[in-house]
Amino acid sequence: GAVVSQHPSWVICKSGTSVKIECRSLDFQATTMFWYRQFPKQSLMLMATSNEGSKATYEQGVEKDKFLINHASLTLSTLTVTSAHPEDSSFYICSAILRRGAFFGQGTRLTVV
Amino acid sequence: GENVGLHLPTLSVQEGDNSIINCAYSNSASDYFIWYKQESGKGPQFIIDIRSNMDKRQGQRVTVLLNKTVKHLSLQIAATQPGDSAVYFCAENIGYTGANSKLTFGKGITLSVRP
Repeated sequence: GAVVSQHPSWVICKSGTSVKIECRSLDFQATTMFWYRQFPKQSLMLMATSNEGSKATYEQGVEKDKFLINHASLTLSTLTVTSAHPEDSSFYICSAILRRGAFFGQGTRLTVV
Repeated sequence: GENVGLHLPTLSVQEGDNSIINCAYSNSASDYFIWYKQESGKGPQFIIDIRSNMDKRQGQRVTVLLNKTVKHLSLQIAATQPGDSAVYFCAENIGYTGANSKLTFGKGITLSVRP
């Protein structure tokens, strides 16, 4: 099946710093990728839709200036959490939808201290 | 707003028994449904999907049933194994897998398999 690779798998950062998470499609081109956030024991919440070559579409309540998304190529989308705070600590997951299904990255555990 | 929800937060089953996980959806426009399994610290893993023009689909040890009349989706796992212990999510999609489609996830249910 299709492979979506996410990096890093975990990161610890200091409050106020920025963190970049990469999402790569390894064996297919993805014009659209999705970024989700998941808090402990909760479901995945869609944050934004990443569109190659254009601006991302953010879900209601998600701050676009805080969660910067860049989709500069057909195989790479990045999510940058700017000026991270402890409340941004969460599990971030990217995905791509193909005709044969939706595929997810391994997730990134972000801890802001 | 419309949402996808699960009836039970936890399910405990005996190893070897069959498991049934239920999901209710409320968006009548949804035309594609997927069940995912998520183990601790990992991303969701695709289990099985079904389109709205079907009411049943079988995979290896798993079966998904779709009842559009009552907007109900279920996942049946035959001969449940310890390795099936995880959180299970149903997800709905509008627009199948077209360019503008996106998944909305249900709340999740924890399946615990007793040895």
